[in-house]
Amino acid sequence: GDQVEQSPSALSLHEGTSSALRCNFTTTTRSVQWFRQNSRGSLINLFYLASGTKENGRLKSAFDSKELYSTLHIRDAQLEDSGTYFCAAEARGSALGRLHFGAGTQLIVIP
Amino acid sequence: GALVYQYPRRTICKSGTSMRMECQAVGFQATSVAWYRQSPQKTFELIALSTVNSAIKYEQNFTQEKFPISHPNLSFSSMTVLNAYLEDRGLYLCGARDLAGKNTLYFGAGTRLSVL
Repeated sequence: GDQVEQSPSALSLHEGTSSALRCNFTTTTRSVQWFRQNSRGSLINLFYLASGTKENGRLKSAFDSKELYSTLHIRDAQLEDSGTYFCAAEARGSALGRLHFGAGTQLIVIP
Repeated sequence: GALVYQYPRRTICKSGTSMRMECQAVGFQATSVAWYRQSPQKTFELIALSTVNSAIKYEQNFTQEKFPISHPNLSFSSMTVLNAYLEDRGLYLCGARDLAGKNTLYFGAGTRLSVL
């Protein structure tokens, strides 16, 4: 079965509002990465977490390895935040670089 | 900073022909490279993991005979899609690991393969 369950699958936000994406893991996870895929297909690195939380501008991510989930908070959404967001988990004991991707969250920011 | 250049960005090939894509790490040592495919309307599947001076490990449903990979040094990797057919369409991404960056995987912009 799927090792990474990502939700929601799609999300519409008005400019200036905030929301959160979530990934649940079904197996012990060593680290998680969050990406945004732009319209050209490029994967842009947002965060790498082995534990705890990180913040970068209007984005904040948390990873709870014990409770097996990670979140990505988007604050004060802007039009340029639109895109598809993916979390990717590296299972404990797996080879480095072997990531299990979530199914993605398609975010549309509305003016 | 760590950058990964992947080329070509887009390619079209006739059914049954082959195409090669290349991945160049800039600004860091790519001791391992992972090749992924994102098929239409799907998430990312790992094709293979390549570590310099080690055997390339392919995932189930992917073989060296179909997707031969070369990883000759710490900055370059290439993968070929042999005898491409419709089911091989998609976005192919190389991800290079930067050990100095705490195991972060940096991805190239991808090669979008269309098959006629």
